[in-house]
Amino acid sequence: EPEVTQTPSHQVTQMGQEVILRCVPISNHLYFYWYRQILGQKVEFLVSFYNNEISEKSEIFDDQFSVERPDGSNFTLKIRSTKLEDSAMYFCARDTGPGYNEQFFGPGTRLTVL
Amino acid sequence: AQSVTQPDIHITVSEGASLELRCNYSYGATPYLFWYVQSPGQGLQLLLKYFSGDTLVQGIKGFEAEFKRSQSSFNLRKPSVHWSDAAEYFCAVGRMDSSYKLIFGSGTRLLVRP
Repeated sequence: EPEVTQTPSHQVTQMGQEVILRCVPISNHLYFYWYRQILGQKVEFLVSFYNNEISEKSEIFDDQFSVERPDGSNFTLKIRSTKLEDSAMYFCARDTGPGYNEQFFGPGTRLTVL
Repeated sequence: AQSVTQPDIHITVSEGASLELRCNYSYGATPYLFWYVQSPGQGLQLLLKYFSGDTLVQGIKGFEAEFKRSQSSFNLRKPSVHWSDAAEYFCAVGRMDSSYKLIFGSGTRLLVRP
């Protein structure tokens, strides 16, 4: 059983459209992360989220991106107006807890922007 | 700034042969180090981690890694490779501050010859 599930597994959208990627942790943990991996490249940190607030965000995470945990369970990443260069695999991860830093990754959502 | 270097983009080994994947890091404090494996089209699975203590750590699937502070390295090893080990391997360093984000290397793709 996966530690984290992500939906959808694949999302195709037109440039300029909004997309919402969802992450559902199996266990009730407080630390969540979004990473992305452009095809053939390394995994890059986007944002960390703790106790319903952003802890840190990378330079990639500009005003087009937002995260929230609206219902206390699902953890979402929203891209308001997608660009071609947003095409990537997006991974959600959850952490065991503060100071332990053992992150478990979901299977990812492949986002294709046309 | 933190960084992780995996100098080998591709490595090909014969099934049954030994394997060593190299990882060097740059980090001001004692790092938390990880190896993840990614099979094609899949998410990231944690193989092993080093936080402190014994510098030789054992992981899943018969992998081990050794932390060498003097060389800033955390190389991954396996004594006998199986065809199912063919995948992409990522080394990562973790931060123990407010975000706990992971910084990944660019990955090493392992090919296994029958």
